[in-house]
Amino acid sequence: DAKTTQPTSMDCAEGRAANLPCNHSTISGNEYVYWYRQIHSQGPQYIIHGLKNNETNEMASLIITEDRKSSTLILPHATLRDTAVYYCIVRVAGDSGGSNYKLTFGKGTLLTVNP
Amino acid sequence: NAGVMQNPRHLVRRRGQEARLRCSPMKGHSHVYWYRQLPEEGLKFMVYLQKENIIDESGMPKERFSAEFPKEGPSILRIQQVVRGDSAAYFCASSPILGADTEAFFGQGTRLTVV
Repeated sequence: DAKTTQPTSMDCAEGRAANLPCNHSTISGNEYVYWYRQIHSQGPQYIIHGLKNNETNEMASLIITEDRKSSTLILPHATLRDTAVYYCIVRVAGDSGGSNYKLTFGKGTLLTVNP
Repeated sequence: NAGVMQNPRHLVRRRGQEARLRCSPMKGHSHVYWYRQLPEEGLKFMVYLQKENIIDESGMPKERFSAEFPKEGPSILRIQQVVRGDSAAYFCASSPILGADTEAFFGQGTRLTVV
């Protein structure tokens, strides 16, 4: 079961920042927040991940609240090619003695970037 | 995504035939995950393998489906006696080491159509 809550869909104007929220109120101290996206049935694409500090890479920024119960993915200058389903995932260690770090995908947010 | 190679990209099988899907992980990666995405649905975890070991197969259907990741060569997802309901996109992902702080990279998937 996914441990995150995301809006079903969002719109963003091309060139503007896209801010995608995610709630993960039951997150544990050693669990990471991951973001992936899937562009029209292609393979999921890794975007970014973090534990408690804010993170930035060439694709996006990840802002995690101090209590770690929510986070926001920021695409600073959205383009039409950023239209995709964005998945926020809390990565947990499984029951197999802590040796299973599978990613569990929820329904994600469909971000539509409009011209 | 380009690093994880899946083949074939498209596979058509008649009902009752066998389907073999191959996944070559990125160089140096010894962990492979398989996911299935039915039309208009989300990504569902199927199985997690390390070299020569199945770690978690909790998402695999009990019959007709099997997976392996031999010491040499690609990971194979095998579906025996395919039925129309097996039509889906099958994605694999790989990661280099074990841990919650290690991103997994996905391939472009194999689209199986059962006619």
